[in-house]
Amino acid sequence: GENVEQHPSTLSVQEGDSAVIKCTYSDSASNYFPWYKQELGKGPQLIIDIRSNVGEKKDQRIAVTLNKTAKHFSLHITETQPEDSAVYFCAASPLGSGNTGKLIFGQGTTLQVKP
Amino acid sequence: NAGVTQTPKFQVLKTGQSMTLQCAQDMNHEYMSWYRQDPGMGLRLIHYSVGAGITDQGEVPNGYNVSRSTTEDFPLRLLSAAPSQTSVYFCASRSRVHNEQFFGPGTRLTVL
Repeated sequence: GENVEQHPSTLSVQEGDSAVIKCTYSDSASNYFPWYKQELGKGPQLIIDIRSNVGEKKDQRIAVTLNKTAKHFSLHITETQPEDSAVYFCAASPLGSGNTGKLIFGQGTTLQVKP
Repeated sequence: NAGVTQTPKFQVLKTGQSMTLQCAQDMNHEYMSWYRQDPGMGLRLIHYSVGAGITDQGEVPNGYNVSRSTTEDFPLRLLSAAPSQTSVYFCASRSRVHNEQFFGPGTRLTVL
């Protein structure tokens, strides 16, 4: 089945710097790649997603890039702020899941933004 | 809209006890899922449902049962709790049309 690897597990940056989190997936048929942000004591919340027919997507300070050939995708956060501190998860939608909402998640990255 | 709600927020069980984690959504979403979150392992899919009366297994279904008698509710049952089921459990839902999954606030379960 699908396997998603996420790196790094922890990331510490200074406020204003950029942060990059990377994920690789194993199933070349996966076609949907969301990123979730989880604040302490809360459930994950979608922040950006990308489909396999698009190479890059941007939303203000957040961008996601996808390399289908290499089977990896990345989250880029520019001009980081203390409120960006959270756990970030990548996910992939594997073959056969269609529109069922079946997601395989990475292990998570704890991002700390130092003021 | 309340979104996705989960009860209880915290629960402590003894090994062998059974219990039901409740999940409800008021967004008329067709798809609902249960995940467990363990340190360093991300979220793992336990069971999911694509509509009332239809359920299927995810990555880690053993020790858990689900049913979906209505669109709104998707309870998760632990038949005989084990310490390995100590975890934080999240319920999620999404519509058939849109990809975004909405997560509940989670239930923190400890099995002694």
